[in-house]
Amino acid sequence: AQSVTQLDSHVSVSEGTPVLLRCNYSSSYSPSLFWYVQHPNKGLQLLLKYTSAATLVKGINGFEAEFKKSETSFHLTKPSAHMSDAAEYFCVVSSGYALNFGKGTSLLVTP
Amino acid sequence: GAVVSQHPSWVICKSGTSVKIECRSLDFQATTMFWYRQFPKQSLMLMATSNEGSKATYEQGVEKDKFLINHASLTLSTLTVTSAHPEDSSFYICSARREAGYFGTESFFNQPQHFGDGTRLSIL
Repeated sequence: AQSVTQLDSHVSVSEGTPVLLRCNYSSSYSPSLFWYVQHPNKGLQLLLKYTSAATLVKGINGFEAEFKKSETSFHLTKPSAHMSDAAEYFCVVSSGYALNFGKGTSLLVTP
Repeated sequence: GAVVSQHPSWVICKSGTSVKIECRSLDFQATTMFWYRQFPKQSLMLMATSNEGSKATYEQGVEKDKFLINHASLTLSTLTVTSAHPEDSSFYICSARREAGYFGTESFFNQPQHFGDGTRLSIL
């Protein structure tokens, strides 16, 4: 079975500093991995996806993630946080038709 | 722009009322749509998979008679919460995935799901 573990439930950064949101996955075969962002009372927006092409995946809004098979990780990064990045972030693995969600990481950005 | 539209965004109603939520794929066909429920500060929980022209597939523990799903066309799925009670209050989100033919060499299962903006349901 495919699953993901988000290692931090909350991350706080200052505006302009780097962002790192950690995700480890468990999969019996090459997974399809996604990062989604959710702003309050909104649905989920796709940030980026990994589907066995390039291991470094660039997404929207300056985010990127690196697939590391040896570490079973798919961490999300951004060089410089913006106030508008404050939201809930979900690491997700595709399991056939369904998606398996991590528990989410709440990103707080302080001025 | 949004590729999945969900309506309504907010519903407040009395206990015992039935509430219908619509999920539409705006610029693509989706034979499969998904309904999720999200409790405050928690992740999304898959409730059911909506299949166009056939019965929905419900996850374990989800009451079929409470949460009625209809997927009558390739662009519309509806979730009806029947005889809603306060414990049904939650944030409901739908999603859809583009069908084969749009992908080129990518497989269907690698395609991301596109989510609606969710429906906040409050039962008084």
